[in-house]
Amino acid sequence: DGGITQSPKYLFRKEGQNVTLSCEQNLNHDAMYWYRQDPGQGLRLIYYSQIVNDFQKGDIAEGYSVSREKKESFPLTVTSAQKNPTAFYLCASSWDRGNQPQHFGDGTRLSIL
Amino acid sequence: GQQVMQIPQYQHVQEGEDFTTYCNSSTTLSNIQWYKQRPGGHPVFLIQLVKSGEVKKQKRLTFQFGEAKKNSSLHITATQTTDVGTYFCAGQVNDMRFGAGTRLTVKP
Repeated sequence: DGGITQSPKYLFRKEGQNVTLSCEQNLNHDAMYWYRQDPGQGLRLIYYSQIVNDFQKGDIAEGYSVSREKKESFPLTVTSAQKNPTAFYLCASSWDRGNQPQHFGDGTRLSIL
Repeated sequence: GQQVMQIPQYQHVQEGEDFTTYCNSSTTLSNIQWYKQRPGGHPVFLIQLVKSGEVKKQKRLTFQFGEAKKNSSLHITATQTTDVGTYFCAGQVNDMRFGAGTRLTVKP
């Protein structure tokens, strides 16, 4: 069954700690995305990748980092530089960055301890 | 920069009433997509509009793309409790930008 898998579902971060959110897709999509969702603010783009070994900053990349070493994987690291990390993080993928529908994972809810 | 504005932020209706959410862009869009996010869930793609003035229907849902390709609407006729959730538009110029969403609640 094809889809996008995000893990963990819930994550807690201690002050000064880096945490990594996993995103895996078996849809054979080239493009992958990370969004942050806060109440009342919709989806804001953190990073995107159009192809393996390539990624670009979105609107709110500060305090985050990504890698795209494999087509199916696009992990997001929330670094200690991100001072307000509490949010719902959504990973998505699409065939390319053109006018293609995006398929979303179930999300990871990150909170500060 | 490119922005997509969506109104209203919230809408509470009685079951059977109609519902409309509107999406406006400051720039001409190449296409617009609509997504639905159920409470506790993730956004799910509903439809994409590409042509100026395009109208598409999915059962009780009607989607419109404005003539100038700067605005769009989603209209639900005779809402049901299964329609609850947040409806997002996403407009594309170079990049895709999501609106803030309209959260729909339906009273039985």
